[in-house]
Amino acid sequence: EPEVTQTPSHQVTQMGQEVILRCVPISNHLYFYWYRQILGQKVEFLVSFYNNEISEKSEIFDDQFSVERPDGSNFTLKIRSTKLEDSAMYFCASSESRGATGYTFGSGTRLTVV
Amino acid sequence: SQQGEEDPQALSIQEGENATMNCSYKTSINNLQWYRQNSGRGLVHLILIRSNEREKHSGRLRVTLDTSKKSSSLLITASRAADTASYFCATDITGGGNKLTFGTGTQLKVEL
Repeated sequence: EPEVTQTPSHQVTQMGQEVILRCVPISNHLYFYWYRQILGQKVEFLVSFYNNEISEKSEIFDDQFSVERPDGSNFTLKIRSTKLEDSAMYFCASSESRGATGYTFGSGTRLTVV
Repeated sequence: SQQGEEDPQALSIQEGENATMNCSYKTSINNLQWYRQNSGRGLVHLILIRSNEREKHSGRLRVTLDTSKKSSSLLITASRAADTASYFCATDITGGGNKLTFGTGTQLKVEL
């Protein structure tokens, strides 16, 4: 069964450093997303991406965050200057269509900012 | 209550029993989805029910949707130890853009 692949599975970074989280969505999917889950809390929407541009972003997704689809397969989330409160599990997801099918989520990247 | 609140927060049952989890939401939706999350792992899509559907089945899963009460339920029949996980409802809100709003989740433990 097709999978969404995320790398790395764990990342520890110093506060103030930049991190790039990588995702390979399912190849025939058109919609891409990033969500995060702070330990013990709800899964929160960050950003959705379609047709090579951001289609929606939450208030969490401020100027410190950016997304890119640098080639036909990768989808990245960059956090420019990490803060302690950015520590969370970050999930990438993709979907074939909007509203008709569920999302396929990756296994996540656990980001720890120290 | 928040958009997407599940109850109970935690549920412990014996293998073979049925497990029922409920989700309530506040605003009009396009669809509602249920996901499973094993501890520390990713989310696995279980089932999607559209706002014009009332019931849907998938294997041992049965989902109902009552848009007048703004609530949904997930029933897992004949539960197994492997069903132990957290279960989340997620709503695609009408006019809410291309995103899902997740609930607080129900932690299900199925004991042998």
